[in-house]
Amino acid sequence: DTEVTQTPKHLVMGMTNKKSLKCEQHMGHRAMYWYKQKAKKPPELMFVYSYEKLSINESVPSRFSPECPNSSLLNLHLHALQPEDSALYLCASSKVAGGSYVSSYNEQFFGPGTRLTVL
Amino acid sequence: AQSVSQHNHHVILSEAASLELGCNYSYGGTVNLFWYVQYPGQHLQLLLKYFSGDPLVKGIKGFEAEFIKSKFSLNLRKPSVQWSDTAEYFCAVNAPGNNDMRFGAGTRLTVKP
Repeated sequence: DTEVTQTPKHLVMGMTNKKSLKCEQHMGHRAMYWYKQKAKKPPELMFVYSYEKLSINESVPSRFSPECPNSSLLNLHLHALQPEDSALYLCASSKVAGGSYVSSYNEQFFGPGTRLTVL
Repeated sequence: AQSVSQHNHHVILSEAASLELGCNYSYGGTVNLFWYVQYPGQHLQLLLKYFSGDPLVKGIKGFEAEFIKSKFSLNLRKPSVQWSDTAEYFCAVNAPGNNDMRFGAGTRLTVKP
């Protein structure tokens, strides 16, 4: 199974709402990622989890709160978002670079994304 | 930190034309290089990757690339494009031992039937 799944596919929320995005993989990968992608732009790295611990936070505002409850799941909790946060949110997973499963090229597998609209 | 640039923002070709998309990276050490494709409304898919060894890399869907170390480049090629190749193409780089992957700005390819 080389699939990364994400739910929901689409999400519309108000600025006062609290919602969560979910990501799941069963490839045994111990690195998981959140990216934000605006229209016609490349994915921008937000967070990296390695062995269920946050290893990279690209100065993301605190209204985005990641969580990695186990090695297969990655959540992104959303609260008090702004309209400019509307984007496609992508999850990815890979083997851990330099970890127990050393991978020369830690190819990332991407999910289909959640299309988020903040009203 | 590593970075990558793609100079072609939008390329328009007719079917059966040959394709070459440029990708240059900036990093002082060994890098892993990737080309991803994003078809309209679909998720990112890996076309090919380069780590070391043979500088000519074969990917899926008839794509290939050549790594030129002296030019810090991994250019994507396809001898004959099809309408179905219309998509956004992203070059990406990370350093071995580093989970931090950086994407280029992307090149939008439009293939006219």
